[in-house]
Formats: sequence, structure tokens, C-alpha cells
Amino acid sequence: GAVVSQHPSRVICKSGTSVKIECRSLDFQATTMFWYRQFPKQSLMLMATSNEGSKATYEQGVEKDKFLINHASLTLSTLTVTSAHPEDSSFYICSASDRARAEAFFGQGTRLTVV
Amino acid sequence: AQSVTQLDSQVPVFEEAPVELRCNYSSSVSVYLFWYVQYPNQGLQLLLKYLSGSTLVESINGFEAEFNKSQTSFHLRKPSVHISDTAEYFCAVSDQNNFNKFYFGSGTKLNVKP
Repeated sequence: GAVVSQHPSRVICKSGTSVKIECRSLDFQATTMFWYRQFPKQSLMLMATSNEGSKATYEQGVEKDKFLINHASLTLSTLTVTSAHPEDSSFYICSASDRARAEAFFGQGTRLTVV
Repeated sequence: AQSVTQLDSQVPVFEEAPVELRCNYSSSVSVYLFWYVQYPNQGLQLLLKYLSGSTLVESINGFEAEFNKSQTSFHLRKPSVHISDTAEYFCAVSDQNNFNKFYFGSGTKLNVKP
């Protein structure tokens, strides 16, 4: 089946630094990818829609200058958390849509801890 | 806007017992409904989905869910669980006009005990 690979699975960074998370679709081309965030004991919340070759669409309340999304190819989207703060600590997960199968596939998620 | 409620954050159950994981949703538009499962240290995997047609949908590993429009529910059931079913289960909806944009419930951890 289709596989979406997300890297890294865990990252610890210092407050004020930036962290990049990668999401790759391994066996299909994804014109659209989605980034979600999950706080402990809460739902996965959609942050933004990543569109290949164009700007990402952010959900209300998500700071686009803080969460930079780049979707430069049909198999790779990146999320960069800039100037990270402890409140950015969370579980981030991406999904990629396979248009042929009309289905979305999810990465393994990235546990970000900002200290 | 859509929202999904999973009332049970954790469900402990003994092996071979039946289980029901509850999911209710609210939406002002027609939606598709999904259950995803996340095993430890793995990504979300699609368990089953309701798009149209029969309101009872089944997965290959014995789970089933029934779409109840009047009660806005999509509860997940299995008549006899196995240890290997231990995982976190997420209910999700998507707008029929934007198929792959999901709204998730908070998840239910199913813990199957021997």
C-alpha cells in the first residue's frame, strides 16, 4: 500500500531555534498534503493545506510566519517551526492525498519538544 | 464547520469480549466518515470508511461501523477483540466537497487485556 514517511519521529530543540519536519509520499505523487497538530488528550487539529508549487492555505488561528510550509515537489512537503517556544511542543503529523485512490495516507508523526 | 466527539478516551476490555467505540459528529454539510487506527510508533492507518450506500461498513479484521444520520453517530464495534487490537482509534469526518481535509476526534485508546 501507499506509504507516507515523516522525519524525524522525535526532535528536541532549544527555545528560539527552528526545526524542519519532512513529509514524503514514497510511492505516489501528492499534489496536496496536510499538516496536523495534536496536543495531549486532544484531537488532531488541521493546521494547513500544502499545495505543490503554490502557497499553503492555513487554518484560522495558525501563524503562517511561524509554521512555514514548503511543497516544492510532488513527493515532499516540509513544515518548519521557526523560533520555537515550549508551547510549540506537540505531535505533528502529515497526510498526503493519492488522487488515484481517493484516499489520504498519514505519516508516523513527529514528537517535537522545545526546551 | 465540522467537529467530532469521541467521549471515551480509554476503553479497557478483556480479550474475546465485544467492544464499542463511540463517535458523534456535527456538521452543517454532508460528510464522509472514517475510522483510523494508530498502533504504537506507527502512522495512522485507515480502518474503514463510509462514503455512500450501505450504512454498515466493515473492515477486513472484523471491525464494523454504522452510519446513523439521525443520531449523527458512527460507532465502531467488534464482537470479539484480540490482544493485537490494542491501539488508539480516531474517528474523523471530511467535507464531501474537500475529500481529504479531515477533522478528527480526540481518539480512544483501546487496551485489550488477556
